[in-house]
Amino acid sequence: GQNIDQPTEMTATEGAIVQINCTYQTSGFNGLFWYQQHAGEAPTFLSYNVLDGLEEKGRFSSFLSRSKGYSYLLLKELQMKDSASYLCASETDSWGKLQFGAGTQVVVTP
Amino acid sequence: DGGITQSPKYLFRKEGQNVTLSCEQNLNHDAMYWYRQDPGQGLRLIYYSQIVNDFQKGDIAEGYSVSREKKESFPLTVTSAQKNPTAFYLCASSIGKSYGYTFGSGTRLTVV
Repeated sequence: GQNIDQPTEMTATEGAIVQINCTYQTSGFNGLFWYQQHAGEAPTFLSYNVLDGLEEKGRFSSFLSRSKGYSYLLLKELQMKDSASYLCASETDSWGKLQFGAGTQVVVTP
Repeated sequence: DGGITQSPKYLFRKEGQNVTLSCEQNLNHDAMYWYRQDPGQGLRLIYYSQIVNDFQKGDIAEGYSVSREKKESFPLTVTSAQKNPTAFYLCASSIGKSYGYTFGSGTRLTVV
């Protein structure tokens, strides 16, 4: 299988930076997605990494190391609305099927 | 506007009953997926279909059934054989590799 590990919960204050780490098994790996999910809602796309390195998109950045089976999502200048679950997902076949981690609940405090 | 629609948003089922959750997309996506999410947990794959008239079991298919008679539609039936069906069900579609998923808004199923 494609075990994906990420921390269960992280807490940070408004305006701070938080880094969510994700490790995955590398066999059959195509690419790595990050999704944001607010409680009771569907996940929404944040980022996609297929090559090694850092992808920056506004306050959010995502990093991938294919050889290490490692990714992180960096959230900068945290806002209260960033309180959500962040899902790491590995793309595992040529059709684009995703394997999801359990999600990291980020709690932003005033 | 193109999108993926799940209905109903909330569903209550009596024990022993089968229920069907609807998922319709007008994105012309070939692949469609059903996931289950329990509180505080990630998404677990129930069934998926990558082409019309074909579908595959995911990691937790027991107690569920699907059909894919049309490209646009991928309904999920939760049967009485599913021991613990109360959960949030998400349908997704994809155009293919590297594009990720478009998700429906989900159906929250509760057994009463």
